[in-house]
Amino acid sequence: KAGVTQTPRYLIKTRGQQVTLSCSPISGHRSVSWYQQTPGQGLQFLFEYFSETQRNKGNFPGRFSGRQFSNSRSEMNVSTLELGDSALYLCASSDRDSLASTDTQYFGPGTRLTVL
Amino acid sequence: EDKVVQSPLSLVVHEGDTVTLNCSYEVTNFRSLLWYKQEKKAPTFLFMLTSSGIEKKSGRLSSILDKKELFSILNITATQTGDSAIYLCAVEDSGTYKYIFGTGTRLKVLA
Repeated sequence: KAGVTQTPRYLIKTRGQQVTLSCSPISGHRSVSWYQQTPGQGLQFLFEYFSETQRNKGNFPGRFSGRQFSNSRSEMNVSTLELGDSALYLCASSDRDSLASTDTQYFGPGTRLTVL
Repeated sequence: EDKVVQSPLSLVVHEGDTVTLNCSYEVTNFRSLLWYKQEKKAPTFLFMLTSSGIEKKSGRLSSILDKKELFSILNITATQTGDSAIYLCAVEDSGTYKYIFGTGTRLKVLA
C-alpha cells in the first residue's frame, strides 16, 4: 500500500496570507489527524477527522481549520498567517476504527511552512 | 490535563553503548502507548504497548510498559550512528481519540 502523502512539501508565505495543506491517507484508513511540530513545543495535536466529521480538536485558535472528503483525503487551512505558524505540519492516518485495526498512526512526510 | 513527559530531553552516547529512554504519562483513559523514531522527516512507528509487563522487541530495540506506575521505557542496545534521531512517545486516550505526544528525546550516537 502507498503511504500517507502530503502536499506541498515546502511552502513559504507572508504574514496575513492563508494556506491550504493537503493529506491523502493510506488506502482504507478513515481517520486523519493533523499535528503541528515546532522545536520548542514538539508535536501538538490540531484535530482529527473521521468519516468527514471533525471528531476531536486540540487547543489551537479558530484560524486553523480542516475538512475531510468522502475519499478520506483531508485538507487543513490556516488563515491570517502569523510568524509563529512556521512549523512542520504532519498528517497521520489510522485504521483505528476498523475491525482489523492495528491501532497505529502512520505519518506523512509533512509540509514545512515558513511564514515571513 | 493529560500529559506525556519524556526524559532525558537529549542524550549523547558512543557507538556500542546501551541507552534507556523514559516516558511517563498522565492520561485519563489510557488505551495504548506508542514509540516512534523521527529522523529528518516524519516519525516512523516502532512499538505499540497496551499490556503491562509484556516486552516488545525488534532487533536491538525493546520496550516495556508499566501501567501501574504509568511509564514506559525504550531500550536500545549496541547503539549505532544510525540510531541518532528523536524518539517520541505518544499515549492514546480512548475517550477523546487523541494521541498525546511527549516532546521527545534527542539521541545522538557518536562513532
